[in-house]
Parts: sequence; structure tokens; C-alpha cells
Amino acid sequence: QKEVEQDPGPLSVPEGAIVSLNCTYSNSAFQYFMWYRQYSRKGPELLMYTYSSGNKEDGRFTAQVDKSSKYISLFIRDSQPSDSATYLCAMSPRNNAGNMLTFGGGTRLMVKP
Amino acid sequence: EPEVTQTPSHQVTQMGQEVILRCVPISNHLYFYWYRQILGQKVEFLVSFYNNEISEKSEIFDDQFSVERPDGSNFTLKIRSTKLEDSAMYFCASISLAAYNEQFFGPGTRLTVL
Repeated sequence: QKEVEQDPGPLSVPEGAIVSLNCTYSNSAFQYFMWYRQYSRKGPELLMYTYSSGNKEDGRFTAQVDKSSKYISLFIRDSQPSDSATYLCAMSPRNNAGNMLTFGGGTRLMVKP
Repeated sequence: EPEVTQTPSHQVTQMGQEVILRCVPISNHLYFYWYRQILGQKVEFLVSFYNNEISEKSEIFDDQFSVERPDGSNFTLKIRSTKLEDSAMYFCASISLAAYNEQFFGPGTRLTVL
């Protein structure tokens, strides 16, 4: 079983739609959860990170963690064509520096005008 | 806004040659990382580095790889004898100890081994 799984997509939505992106994971030691956005042939850009279970909101983005189900989500409200990118979830087990991130394979999102 | 920079953006090399990929982390950051992403695959951790020594490394980071912080600003990844399967995007990342869950990535170096 892969440690972190994401549906690769592509996920195609019309502009203005609410987007839901998800990851599942198998390692119960993961405590910190991040979402990165990656444009083609660019570096990952950190969008949000959350600790343990619960929700976190930042503008149009909401990150949700359900540790009991080993399931995390990123919601994008009022999606824009500029949101078209690959979204990567990443996670780490410990709250100290030096921790490696384990990434999902990414979901490609296309927002059509 | 400060950012991680990487050079070169694209490196082409012959199999068996040595390459050095360079990174300039954000200036007040103290922990540094290298990741790689083979085309169409996941971003994979290679190594983390703090206080002039390796903190953690993955199975990928074998004896062909080494890292160095040669001065106060640069952080390098050396591959001693490149193989075809080393072709990938290599990303440098850094964190500040004040926000060590926030890894900031550079734009990457695309390495092509022929």
C-alpha cells in the first residue's frame, strides 16, 4: 500500500466551481499535513499546512484533516483559471526540523473560463 | 518576497559525468533539503542538512550523492557519476526554525543525463 495516495485527475471544472481535492494515507504517524500547488515545470508552492485533525481556512482555500479516516482535503471556493495547476499533498510525522515530507502524486486541476 | 533560487535551470550531461546543482536558500533559513521529481512521478525526499551535516537521508541518497554548504549562502548537491535514471527535476527547499513546517521550494533544476 502506498503511503500517500491522490487521484491524479485531471479534474476539470468550470470557473466559479467549488473544488475538492483529497489524499489518503496509511501511516498513522503523520501529524502535519501540507498542500502545495505546482505549475508545470516549476517548484511546489506551499498553500497551507495543518496540524492533526480539523479545519483551517485561508481566503478561498480550506484544508481539512480527518486523522481517524486518514483522509485530508483541500477545498477551493470560487475557482479561477489561474488555479489550474497540480495540487500536491504532503505530510510529515514529527514536529521538528529536518523532517522529510512524503508527497502524494498530485491531482491535476483544470479550471475552464 | 524572499525566495529559494537554483542554478542552473537546466543541466544536460553525459552518463558517468559529475554534476553539481546549486541552491541559494532563503537568507535566514537554517535547514535545507533536496528533493527530486522524475517526470510524471512523485516528489521524493533525498536529504536534509543542518549545521553542516546531514540530518536525514533517503534510500535514494546513496554514495553517488553528496551535499555541501561551501559558504554562507550556497547549498549544493553533487552527483558523482550520473546515471540515466538520475534524469529528473531536483528541488532545493529550506525552512526557518521559527516555522519549520513550512518548507519553501526553489524552482528546480532539470537534469538530463544522456
